[in-house]
Amino acid sequence: DTGVSQNPRHKITKRGQNVTFRCDPISEHNRLYWYRQTLGQGPEFLTYFQNEAQLEKSRLLSDRFSAERPKGSFSTLEIQRTEQGDSAMYLCASSLEGGDTQYFGPGTRLTVL
Amino acid sequence: TQLLEQSPQFLSIQEGENLTVYCNSSSVFSSLQWYRQEPGEGPVLLVTVVTGGEVKKLKRLTFQFGDARKDSSLHITAAQPGDTGLYLCAGAVNPPSGNTGKLIFGQGTTLQVKP
Repeated sequence: DTGVSQNPRHKITKRGQNVTFRCDPISEHNRLYWYRQTLGQGPEFLTYFQNEAQLEKSRLLSDRFSAERPKGSFSTLEIQRTEQGDSAMYLCASSLEGGDTQYFGPGTRLTVL
Repeated sequence: TQLLEQSPQFLSIQEGENLTVYCNSSSVFSSLQWYRQEPGEGPVLLVTVVTGGEVKKLKRLTFQFGDARKDSSLHITAAQPGDTGLYLCAGAVNPPSGNTGKLIFGQGTTLQVKP
C-alpha cells in the first residue's frame, strides 16, 4: 500500500499528558500537511512542510503543538500538556509540489479524558 | 479569511432520488477538490476541478466548477445506499507568495440514502 499512513489510529490520554502522532506520506510527495477535524466539521489546516521546512503554521497551532519533518520524509505532531479541547481527529495529507490535490491518511483519533 | 459555505449540511433521501450539494465562497480558488469521508476514516478524494466552468463526471456523480472559480456543485443521480457518507468540498489557497496548496474545507454535507 503506497498511500498515506498514520499511527496510532486511536489514542486515549489523560489531561496534561503529552502525545505524539506519526505520518508517513506517499513516498514521492515533498509536501506534507496536518489538519484537525472535530465532530461534524470539515478539517482545519494546522501546518505544512515542503521537504523538511515548515513553511506555514495556523493560529490554531498553540505553543503546546509542535510538528517536525526532520528528513523530509515522515512527520511527527506532538501535543504537550493535552487539554480536553484537543480531542479531535488529526489528519495528515501529502501532495506533490505545485499540485493542489492532497491525499489523506486515515487519521489519528485523539480522546483526552 | 477565506471561507467555503457548503449546503445543505444534512440530507436524507430515498434510494433512486437525485440530489445536489453546493459549495460557495466569495474568494477565488486555484482549484477545488471534493472528498468523501466515512466515519473514523480520512477523506478520500473524488475529483479535482481546476478550470472555471469545468464539468467532470464520475459514474453517477457530476462535479461542476463555477466560471469565476468561486463555487462548485456535486450532483448525484439515482442515489444508492452506498453513497451514504460525509461529502466535503475543499478549495486550494493560492496567495501571492506562491501556491501553498493549503486547503480550506467546507463544513461538509452528511448524506443518508435510505433503501
